[in-house]
Amino acid sequence: GAGVSQSPRYKVAKRGQDVALRCDPISGHVSLFWYQQALGQGPEFLTYFQNEAQLDKSGLPSDRFFAERPEGSVSTLKIQRTQQEDSAVYLCASSGAPWRPSTDTQYFGPGTRLTVL
Amino acid sequence: AQKITQTQPGMFVQEKEAVTLDCTYDTSDPSYGLFWYKQPSSGEMIFLIYQGSYDQQNATEGRYSLNFQKARKSANLVISASQLGDSAMYFCAMREGGTNFGNEKLTFGTGTRLTIIP
Repeated sequence: GAGVSQSPRYKVAKRGQDVALRCDPISGHVSLFWYQQALGQGPEFLTYFQNEAQLDKSGLPSDRFFAERPEGSVSTLKIQRTQQEDSAVYLCASSGAPWRPSTDTQYFGPGTRLTVL
Repeated sequence: AQKITQTQPGMFVQEKEAVTLDCTYDTSDPSYGLFWYKQPSSGEMIFLIYQGSYDQQNATEGRYSLNFQKARKSANLVISASQLGDSAMYFCAMREGGTNFGNEKLTFGTGTRLTIIP
């Protein structure tokens, strides 16, 4: 399909393990976002990329969280030494086709549900 | 202060009736955008409708319309002729600032769970 895809859809980790979550944005989209959604809450912003540049990482909750988008397409969100409070759904969104830079609607992937035991 | 407030945690509506989901927002930026997303139990966030702060007319998309009252800082979603498939969580979100790159992150409300009764 042509939408945003994320993998894995579900991840169970033991406390202290490292995890890596992948996001494939809509082809050609310039902007990529990561959000964290706790149970029963709205998504909260984590970080934002324009192409390969990480322009805003103000929402990352700690230095255990790291995101990259080395070639301006696929992005990976890495969480080191996972803690129980990291359990959440991690949503990726993309926007901004390069021929319409003012387009700002974000299209979301299905999310990765992370459970830390 | 909350930037996006959704005061209805849950709503029950009879099928085929219209429903209004409330959203108020708080920003001092003159340029902003307001979004509504639907999140079914499967978890994906589905974009429904967008309203820009400078748009002169209320946005409409099929059965969805946005009742934008700028002075009251409200952006309520109206769903006409509700269907069983409309049962889901609905989130209101805001982007502050212009559409230049770098100002695009969304702030979400806590959502409203809508249940359509047959």
